[in-house]
Amino acid sequence: AQTVTQSQPEMSVQEAETVTLSCTYDTSESDYYLFWYKQPPSRQMILVIRQEAYKQQNATENRFSVNFQKAAKSFSLKISDSQLGDAAMYFCAYRRRGDKIIFGKGTRLHILP
Amino acid sequence: DAEITQSPRHKITETGRQVTLACHQTWNHNNMFWYRQDLGHGLRLIHYSYGVQDTNKGEVSDGYSVSRSNTEDLPLTLESAASSQTSVYFCASSTGLNTGELFFGEGSRLTVL
Repeated sequence: AQTVTQSQPEMSVQEAETVTLSCTYDTSESDYYLFWYKQPPSRQMILVIRQEAYKQQNATENRFSVNFQKAAKSFSLKISDSQLGDAAMYFCAYRRRGDKIIFGKGTRLHILP
Repeated sequence: DAEITQSPRHKITETGRQVTLACHQTWNHNNMFWYRQDLGHGLRLIHYSYGVQDTNKGEVSDGYSVSRSNTEDLPLTLESAASSQTSVYFCASSTGLNTGELFFGEGSRLTVL
C-alpha cells in the first residue's frame, strides 16, 4: 500500500528566510502525482504545488518550489523569502493516476517575525 | 464560479443520533471524496465515489456510509454517532484521470457529546 511520510511535525523559520519541508512516499507505481497542500487557520485546503512523476523538471510556483527525487521517493517543498502568511499546516499528498489521494500527517510551519 | 460546498459547517450532536453531512459540487466532477482530519493523523479517507451509483470504502469507513444518486452530491451519514467521530470533515472532488488535483470544501466540524 502507498504511504506518505512527513517526518517533521513542526518547523519554525524566520521571516524572509528559506525553509524546506520534507516528504517521502512509498509506491511501486511509475505514473503518479505528488502535491503540497497548505491549510491556514481558516481551515481551507489550498493547493500549493503539483508534480507529475513523469516530469523530471521540478515544479515551481513563485516562492514555492519542490525537489523531486523519484528514485529516492522524496518530494520536499522549499519556501523562499518566508512571509507571515505562509504560517500554516502543510500536507504532502500522493495520487496514483485515476486513484484516490493519500495524505501525510502534516507539518505545522511557524513564521517568526 | 464552480465550487464545492459543505453543510452544516458546525454541528453538535449526541451519541447515538444519526447525522448527515452534505456535500455539493458544481464542478461536474466524477470523483468525490470524504476525509476526516484529526490532530496527529492528517487527513484520512472515509469513503469515495468515482461516479453515480459508485461508492467505495476508504481506510476509516466503519460507522459511515455514503450514497451517490447524482453527479453533484455525496452526502456522508453517520448512522449512530460516537464520540470517536468528533472531527473535522472535508469533502473534495476531482476530475477523472488527468489533472490529479483535489478541490476541497471548507470543512464541517462535528462534535459528538
